[in-house]
Amino acid sequence: QLQLQESGPGLVKPSETLSLTCTVSGGSISSSSYYWGWIRQPPGKGLEWIGSMYYSGSTYYNPSLKSRVTISVDTSKNQFSLRLTSVTAADTAVYYCARGSGSYKFWGQGTLVTVSS
Amino acid sequence: DIQMTQSPSTLSASVGDRVTITCRASQSINNYLAWYQQKPGKAPKLLIYKASSLESGVPSRFSGSGSGTEFTLTISSLQPDDSATYYCQQYNSYWTFGQGTKVEIK
Repeated sequence: QLQLQESGPGLVKPSETLSLTCTVSGGSISSSSYYWGWIRQPPGKGLEWIGSMYYSGSTYYNPSLKSRVTISVDTSKNQFSLRLTSVTAADTAVYYCARGSGSYKFWGQGTLVTVSS
Repeated sequence: DIQMTQSPSTLSASVGDRVTITCRASQSINNYLAWYQQKPGKAPKLLIYKASSLESGVPSRFSGSGSGTEFTLTISSLQPDDSATYYCQQYNSYWTFGQGTKVEIK
C-alpha cells in the first residue's frame, strides 16, 4: 500500500522560506501517469491546492501562489519537495502531500506549519 | 481560473435521511470532478472520481452525479459515521476545491 509522509520544520519565521518533503513508500515516485501534489488547509478553513508535479517532471502551480512556489523531485530518495518563499501568517496551515491520477487517492497525514516570529 | 461553489455550507440531517450536496463549476469541467470526505484532524478521503465513479472500498450509499457544470454528491441513507466535511474538487484545468459542506447528525 502506498504511503506518503510529510516532514519539515513546524515553525517558520515571516519572510523566510517554507520547505517540506514528502517521502513515498510502497511505490515509485517515477510511476507513470500519476500526479504528486501539495495541498494545504489553514486552521478551521477549507482545502487549497498549492501545486502538482506529473511523473514526467512537468509542474503546475496555483496561480495565486505561483510566484512563490517550487515543487521538485528527488527520485533517488523517492521524495518530492515543496518550497514556498516569503511566507506570512496567511501561510500557516496543515500541509498535505498526495498522489493521484487527477483526483487524489493517497494522502499523507499532514504537517502543521506555523508562520510566526 | 475555474471556481467551485458548494451548497449548502452546513447541513443537519437525521440518521437514515437522504442527503444531497451540490457543487457548481464556473465553466465546464468535462466531468473531471471528485468528492472527498474529511473528518477532524484527518486527511481527506477520496469518495468519488470522474463525477460518478465510486472509489474502491467506499460504501455504496455514496453516489455522485451530474455533468458540465452541475454536480451532486448523494448519501442515500445517512449514517452516524458520515458526520464530516465534504469537498468537491475539479481537475479539468489545474485543481480547485469547493469551500466544503459540513454534515452534522441531528
